[in-house]
Amino acid sequence: QVQLVESGGGVVQPGRSLRLSCAASGFTFTNYGMHWVRQAPGKGLEWVAVIWYDGSRKYYADSVKGRVTISRDDSKNTVFLQMNSLGVEDTAVYYCAREVAYYFDKWGQGTLVTVSS
Amino acid sequence: QSALTQPASVSGSPGQSITISCTGTYSDVGYYNYVSWYQHHPGKAPKLMIYDVTYRPSGVSNRFSGSKSGNTASLTISGLQAEDEADYYCTSYTSSSSYVFGSGTKVTVL
Repeated sequence: QVQLVESGGGVVQPGRSLRLSCAASGFTFTNYGMHWVRQAPGKGLEWVAVIWYDGSRKYYADSVKGRVTISRDDSKNTVFLQMNSLGVEDTAVYYCAREVAYYFDKWGQGTLVTVSS
Repeated sequence: QSALTQPASVSGSPGQSITISCTGTYSDVGYYNYVSWYQHHPGKAPKLMIYDVTYRPSGVSNRFSGSKSGNTASLTISGLQAEDEADYYCTSYTSSSSYVFGSGTKVTVL
């Protein structure tokens, strides 16, 4: 069955960096675009970034543009989110999601990132 | 990229119907038929309920339906059940090749 498992979250100081991973299984990874979506405490879902199925295009939310990079390693069926210059506003549960033609049909359970001194 | 506008909360009694609105702009909801809806129980993975405005994935109850008029999409839950109590989010593809979520609606079954 389709599985998406996020990892890499934790407590990090403001200004530092963190790399999140999302390991995919149960489907042909290279056929799908992959997204990151986050939810800050007490807030709603916020779209963060997408990488196309072939890695040729990447798009970011304005709130993270220039600080975040999405990438994928098709040999490991994994998508990454490299986050730099983290601020308290980046504290959130980060979910990865699989895209099927403009909607997200499978989601992971999320990984918590806490930015705090 | 302002969030799509949803009511903060909607409630109904078991068996009733409720509708959640999702208002965007001509650059997202109004232009594309790529509106989807997600049910989210805190601490769990969001679940796809409706895609492409009106389509229901296999396994989702036919009590859930979607529609759109102009810049506003809607999710209707008919025959409300206790298990429907959750947060619901709409999302739309945008003209910037990005996505925007709605502000979220908490559904309470009275």
